[in-house]
Amino acid sequence: NAGVTQTPKFRILKIGQSMTLQCTQDMNHNYMYWYRQDPGMGLKLIYYSVGAGITDKGEVPNGYNVSRSTTEDFPLRLELAAPSQTSVYFCASSYSDRGNSPLHFGNGTRLTVT
Amino acid sequence: DQQVKQNSPSLSVQEGRISILNCDYTNSMFDYFLWYKKYPAEGPTFLISISSIKDKNEDGRFTVFLNKSAKHLSLHIVPSQPGDSAVYFCAAGYAGGTSYGKLTFGQGTILTVHP
Repeated sequence: NAGVTQTPKFRILKIGQSMTLQCTQDMNHNYMYWYRQDPGMGLKLIYYSVGAGITDKGEVPNGYNVSRSTTEDFPLRLELAAPSQTSVYFCASSYSDRGNSPLHFGNGTRLTVT
Repeated sequence: DQQVKQNSPSLSVQEGRISILNCDYTNSMFDYFLWYKKYPAEGPTFLISISSIKDKNEDGRFTVFLNKSAKHLSLHIVPSQPGDSAVYFCAAGYAGGTSYGKLTFGQGTILTVHP
């Protein structure tokens, strides 16, 4: 059981380039999330989805877009990369939105924008 | 406005002793709290949680204490083992409404357990 898989593990982008961070889960979870972690900071929610076709903004959505065409996949799109988007990105999923349903995280994508 | 704070960036403990990691929050609407553990180059993994209707939850060597009046929670690890060396994140969330399981995380505390 792979859980939550993120690709790529590392990426370097030039300012203004675009890319898609891939995330897939095999646990049949309806709820999926994208977080970013900056050095010395906690994780901040970028976008989340409560099921296929339904997405909404989190705390720091500017500069990002998401889509959820299937239960399994939740890609995060950066259209015009900026140095402020240098961070480690974590995708997560959960069975429900209740407190006894913890998040399952992928291993992260480390992105550097120069 | 940081609603969840872990004021100790790091903690060093001897193997076999108790590790106590602290977390403070400001939003009284939070009604459940979780601790996650993170090793380098891996994603956070769930450790233990507590609902706001309880003041203690225990799972093996890990115990979380919640003091609602002080808006403070702590994670106790007894006895500490070298394999516990990791970054520990405190997180808080809402159980209902439009929360959809969204969590607010603290900055993390690096725990080092020396053999």
